[in-house]
Amino acid sequence: GQQLNQSPQSMFIQEGEDVSMNCTSSSIFNTWLWYKQEPGEGPVLLIALYKAGELTSNGRLTAQFGITRKDSFLNISASIPSDVGIYFCAGHPLTGTASKLTFGTGTRLQVTL
Amino acid sequence: DTAVSQTPKYLVTQMGNDKSIKCEQNLGHDTMYWYKQDSKKFLKIMFSYNNKELIINETVPNRFSPKSPDKAHLNLHINSLELGDSAVYFCASSQTSGSHEQYFGPGTRLTVT
Repeated sequence: GQQLNQSPQSMFIQEGEDVSMNCTSSSIFNTWLWYKQEPGEGPVLLIALYKAGELTSNGRLTAQFGITRKDSFLNISASIPSDVGIYFCAGHPLTGTASKLTFGTGTRLQVTL
Repeated sequence: DTAVSQTPKYLVTQMGNDKSIKCEQNLGHDTMYWYKQDSKKFLKIMFSYNNKELIINETVPNRFSPKSPDKAHLNLHINSLELGDSAVYFCASSQTSGSHEQYFGPGTRLTVT
């Protein structure tokens, strides 16, 4: 079935650095979502994107819906220790079943002081 | 106020037993989901209900049976538990079946010994 590949798999960065991660698919998506999961918790929705080229911010987080509709990007500026967690992209394929999301493999972020 | 809640948080049981996980959402959403997250953190949809009707039923063993007594509740019953059922199970909800923004519960960590 459809898979979403996230890159990088993991990142170790210092507090204050900017972070970039991306998500790619083999087919066209009409919705992209970014979630953050902290240890022992459920994924929390960060940003939702609905239109090719769309750029949306949520505080220090900025996400973009790629113009090819096969990728999405998430940037975190000036990282802080509480940014630690696993970031998942999720998407709804153009020809997919209504309400069925496909999740990415996750990017694990570690922030050191 | 918790938006999507699950009980129990942890469940440890022996092979062959039957167990249930409960989920409730107070968001007024029409659609609810069960996901399974494996040890590699991959999130996979299992079931989805819209207004108490099953709309997504992925390739899941018959031992798993979801039940939705009303649109605010979605329970998951598992018969004859196996070692491979050990995982974290997440409940989620969305406003409608066409809404791609899904909101997750805190998860239930099931350990089968």
